[in-house]
Formats: sequence, C-alpha cells, structure tokens
Amino acid sequence: RKEVEQDPGPFNVPEGATVAFNCTYSNSASQSFFWYRQDCRKEPKLLMSVYSSGNEDGRFTAQLNRASQYISLLIRDSKLSDSATYLCVVNYGQNFVFGPGTRLSVLP
Amino acid sequence: EPEVTQTPSHQVTQMGQEVILRCVPISNHLYFYWYRQILGQKVEFLVSFYNNEISEKSEIFDDQFSVERPDGSNFTLKIRSTKLEDSAMYFCAILSVGTPKGGETQYFGPGTRLLVL
Repeated sequence: RKEVEQDPGPFNVPEGATVAFNCTYSNSASQSFFWYRQDCRKEPKLLMSVYSSGNEDGRFTAQLNRASQYISLLIRDSKLSDSATYLCVVNYGQNFVFGPGTRLSVLP
Repeated sequence: EPEVTQTPSHQVTQMGQEVILRCVPISNHLYFYWYRQILGQKVEFLVSFYNNEISEKSEIFDDQFSVERPDGSNFTLKIRSTKLEDSAMYFCAILSVGTPKGGETQYFGPGTRLLVL
C-alpha cells in the first residue's frame, strides 16, 4: 500500500524560530521525494526536491533517510510568509503520492 | 516554471449534472494528472494520462469520470453525473523533466473549485 504520513500539526511558532517537519513513507520502491507548500485554497507549489545526500535551499534544508523511509524538512529563521501547509510527496514511477500535510503558522 | 491554466476557476452545479473541467498547459507535455482535494483534506490522486491514454487511475476514478485530450492541447476531466461528495478542488498537474528544482517534478494548475448542490 502506498502511504505517506506526516506530523499532524499544526505547528505554531514565533518569527525567527527553527521548525522541523517529518514524513515517513511505506513503499521502499519509492524513487523521488519532494516538499511542496500549499497556501489556503491554492494549488500545491514545489518547494524543493529531496536528494539522498540532503540538500539546502536558503533557509530550507531537506534530508532523506532511505533505510528508515523518512524525510525531513527544516526551516530556519522562519518568516510570517512561511505560514502554509507543507506537503510531503513521494514518487513511484510516474505517480506521486501526497501526505496529508502539516500546517505551519508563524506568529509575529 | 511550467505554466498550467485551468478553467473554470469556480463551478456550481446541480446534483446529477455533467461537468467538464479543463486544463491547458502552456508548453507541450506528455504526462498529465488530475487530483482532487476535498476541503480540509489531503490531495488525492485521480488519474494519470500519458500519450493520450490513461496510465493509472485510483479507486476514486470510477465510471462517472473520464479524461481526454480532444485537440492535443486541452486536457479535460468530465464527471458525468455529479454527486454531492464530488464537491472539491480539482487540480490538473503536468510532469516536467529536468527542471532547476529537481529531475521529474509536477507543476499544478490553480485548480477548479466545484460545488455540487
């Protein structure tokens, strides 16, 4: 069964805080991994792909642990504009399975 | 970033009516997807479409649903006889290869909000 699970949230953090999201997936045949963000009533937008060696894009760092089937996203120095739902997405062939998302609210 | 447009942005329909949702990618793509998201719930896969054929479909995508690419550009999702529980946001997505943010990645249209009364 192809399942993707995420921290239930919501996360309410003050501006400037560091926050981490966790994601696990059940199918070891998964090939690619992504983090998307989704603003209220908007489409998911790609935040970053997740590579085996881990990767960083500005304040965002993604990690992948294939052995544990675990993906993480770290946001440093959070901004008000980071408030959104963060979706973990796992790719099996040409198909993409979405996690339920973790909602983040960054408070002034 | 590849652009995808969807029409209409909102649609209100009566239960039992047929609706057609449209997706127009700006550039040529081979893989298309439809997803739905019921308010407050997760994004759910409906169907993938490759080279003018259905590649894979979920259990949600029953006989009431169909997809086609009638003119080589528009990609449509038809719901033959809408039910109340079809009320959701419907997103079209395309698969793009070799983008700066990753290998094969999906890009979503802005969605169509469908309300069945």
